[in-house]
Amino acid sequence: GQQVMQIPQYQHVQEGEDFTTYCNSSTTLSNIQWYKQRPGGHPVFLIQLVKSGEVKKQKRLTFQFGEAKKNSSLHITATQTTDVGTYFCAAQNNNAGNMLTFGGGTRLMVKP
Amino acid sequence: DAGITQSPRHKVTETGTPVTLRCHQTENHRYMYWYRQDPGHGLRLIHYSYGVKDTDKGEVSDGYSVSRSKTEDFLLTLESATSSQTSVYFCAISGRLAGGEQYFGPGTRLTVT
Repeated sequence: GQQVMQIPQYQHVQEGEDFTTYCNSSTTLSNIQWYKQRPGGHPVFLIQLVKSGEVKKQKRLTFQFGEAKKNSSLHITATQTTDVGTYFCAAQNNNAGNMLTFGGGTRLMVKP
Repeated sequence: DAGITQSPRHKVTETGTPVTLRCHQTENHRYMYWYRQDPGHGLRLIHYSYGVKDTDKGEVSDGYSVSRSKTEDFLLTLESATSSQTSVYFCAISGRLAGGEQYFGPGTRLTVT
């Protein structure tokens, strides 16, 4: 089945530093979604990328979809303590049943 | 947050006992999903539903069954719980299958002793 690898698994940063998590698929994707899960909480949808090379921004968060539609990244500029949580990518392949396949997540910890 | 509730929120049960988890939505979304979340594995799809009485298997369906008799309710049953089914279970809903964002419930923490 479709596999989605996400790195790193964990990241400790000092408040104010930047953070990036990467998501890689073995197959070409129809779209990719990003979710955030706060400690003890449930995943919350952040954004969806559909087009090759697409870049979207939400305040300090920048999301990119690779030209080949096989990888994606989430970059946070100047992290804050409110950014703490686990970030998941979720890949969808319309040729593989349209189900979302989640990456293993990157847990972000921010030291104040 | 979308109108999704899960019950119970916490449960401890013994190996071999049957367990049913309930997901209830008030959004009238067609698609409903059950995931399990384990450290290092992200979220893995157990079963999903694309309408009343229409369900299909996900990636990790062995040992689980589901039922959907009403649009708003999606039940997950562990016929005979095993320790490997200790996990956090999330229900999710979506208005679209392809390209639809998913809204997650608060989760159920299940411990099988």
